[in-house]
Amino acid sequence: SAVISQKPSRDICQRGTSLTIQCQVDSQVTMMFWYRQQPGQSLTLIATANQGSEATYESGFVIDKFPISRPNLTFSTLTVSNMSPEDSSIYLCSVGTGQGTQYFGPGTRLLVL
Amino acid sequence: GEDVEQSLFLSVREGDSSVINCTYTDSSSTYLYWYKQEPGAGLQLLTYIFSNMDMKQDQRLTVLLNKKDKHLSLRIADTQTGDSAIYFCAETLDSSYKLIFGSGTRLLVRP
Repeated sequence: SAVISQKPSRDICQRGTSLTIQCQVDSQVTMMFWYRQQPGQSLTLIATANQGSEATYESGFVIDKFPISRPNLTFSTLTVSNMSPEDSSIYLCSVGTGQGTQYFGPGTRLLVL
Repeated sequence: GEDVEQSLFLSVREGDSSVINCTYTDSSSTYLYWYKQEPGAGLQLLTYIFSNMDMKQDQRLTVLLNKKDKHLSLRIADTQTGDSAIYFCAETLDSSYKLIFGSGTRLLVRP
């Protein structure tokens, strides 16, 4: 399995600001993903972070709101832009292995006031 | 369409077995997973099963897959208080890595 860390672990932000979340993996991985878990709910895939090209977004998520970077095979960032209270969620990155499994980071808990 | 459903809550006594159930609708599932989320933590991959299998056992965990009924279950033997958490089942379809999650089952283990 991969060891995944995320920064920050939690933050409280004012509406209208932006927050960049970092995801670091201890080994090179091809597949990296960003998920959102709204309060009391399940997880929803935001996008697939592609190394060397633009991220692939799921329906309902757009690059202007959630820009993603993937400069190499061990690191990715997700920015939550122009935040509103509805963006209060846990944001998790995950990595896929060749065996069809996905491992998750510890998550970033975001509260927007 | 893609839909994964779970019951919301399960309460068991310590030492008993827990069975958490999940149903899915898409017959093109390739892998089915069970994840555990403890309060304030991320998701821990507990186990997974490939869609051409019908059972997988790993220590206290037993996964049963009934493809005909599109039903997946997770049995935890000798449930402990440390097993109290939310358990999510999830699937991937065809060759996609996209995980489709159920709503999660909150397991409460009573002493």
